[in-house]
Amino acid sequence: AQSVAQPEDQVNVAEGNPLTVKCTYSVSGNPYLFWYVQYPNRGLQFLLKYITGDNLVKGSYGFEAEFNKSQTSFHLKKPSALVSDSALYFCAVSPDSSYKLIFGSGTRLLVRP
Amino acid sequence: GAVVSQHPSWVICKSGTSVKIECRSLDFQATTMFWYRQFPKQSLMLMATSNEGSKATYEQGVEKDKFLINHASLTLSTLTVTSAHPEDSSFYICSAFATGGPYSNQPQHFGDGTRLSIL
Repeated sequence: AQSVAQPEDQVNVAEGNPLTVKCTYSVSGNPYLFWYVQYPNRGLQFLLKYITGDNLVKGSYGFEAEFNKSQTSFHLKKPSALVSDSALYFCAVSPDSSYKLIFGSGTRLLVRP
Repeated sequence: GAVVSQHPSWVICKSGTSVKIECRSLDFQATTMFWYRQFPKQSLMLMATSNEGSKATYEQGVEKDKFLINHASLTLSTLTVTSAHPEDSSFYICSAFATGGPYSNQPQHFGDGTRLSIL
């Protein structure tokens, strides 16, 4: 079965420190990978995607993610966290060009001042 | 600015009533829209795929007679929760699929969601 795993329910980091939010997937073939952020009572905002090409993808608000095919991972990173980055982050995968998304369980990021 | 508008953002109603939620793509035509349900502190669960001019495709376990989807135009899909009961209370989110043009850099554009509370 196709699935996306976000092993951490919550990640805590101090402002100014680097952050990583982990994501692994189990999808056959060459999946399309995405990261979204959700603020309270809001829909999802797109951060970045990997379709093909360079394994390091840069996205919105200074976020980036690294695709690792051998480890089937797509971890989200940011060199220096901001308090305003505190939100719920979802990793998602689309197994094909239909772009039907399978979401991970979400990771709550808390950046303390 | 927002490219997908979802309305209403919050609705409270009595058990047994039907509630309609609208999802509009504002700046592009969307032949496909998706409807999700999100429980507190949980992920998004895909309920159905809404296709303009044809019947929606429902995910396994989703009652099509309970959650009626209509996609009558290229910019509007509606989800009607029929005879709603407290267990239908949830956060419902729609997304629109941009197949081309300037909005195709991301495949799904999400509305801000509708919080449905059934008393």
